[in-house]
Amino acid sequence: DAKTTQPTSMDCAEGRAANLPCNHSTISGNEYVYWYRQIHSQGPQYIIHGLKNNETNEMASLIITEDRKSSTLILPHATLRDTAVYYCIVIIGQAGTALIFGKGTTLSVSS
Amino acid sequence: ETGVTQSPTHLIKTRGQQVTLRCSSQSGHNTVSWYQQALGQGPQFIFQYYREEENGRGNFPPRFSGLQFPNYSSELNVNALELDDSALYLCASRPLAGSTGELFFGEGSRLTVL
Repeated sequence: DAKTTQPTSMDCAEGRAANLPCNHSTISGNEYVYWYRQIHSQGPQYIIHGLKNNETNEMASLIITEDRKSSTLILPHATLRDTAVYYCIVIIGQAGTALIFGKGTTLSVSS
Repeated sequence: ETGVTQSPTHLIKTRGQQVTLRCSSQSGHNTVSWYQQALGQGPQFIFQYYREEENGRGNFPPRFSGLQFPNYSSELNVNALELDDSALYLCASRPLAGSTGELFFGEGSRLTVL
């Protein structure tokens, strides 16, 4: 089973920040938090990952709480193309381990 | 564009038949994994190959088997197809085992079993 809990769906207005929460209260010290998204009928796409510190790349920012029991993915300026299912996944990042996908959060961005 | 290509994109089979799905990994990626995604669900891990050997398997029966070739391309074979095997099958590759875990997914092969 997935080690994470995410809301089923969220809405966001185009141009606004989308903040997607994820709970992972049983995370271990050597487990990373990964985010992927899946646009309809496409394969999942890697977004970002982190261990303890906040991370930012060209797509998004990842904020991890100090106790590491939850995190938030931030899309700073959502566009219609960001409408997708977003998956938060916890894994030991440096082993060849499988990704355990939950049902994710369906983000709907509207104009 | 991830550089991971899968074929065929769509196919229809009947119960009891066998199917082979193919995946061409991104150059330099020597680890490949396969996932099954039923409608409305997240992808489920089937197995992973590294250097032509299976080195991880999810909760799938032996009729799901695979191969990885020296050029790092891969096949997923499913025997004795059942209706519940209808799904999107995703191939994903990654650089050297031991990297930080980012996977590059293909667009998938959609299998319908009638």
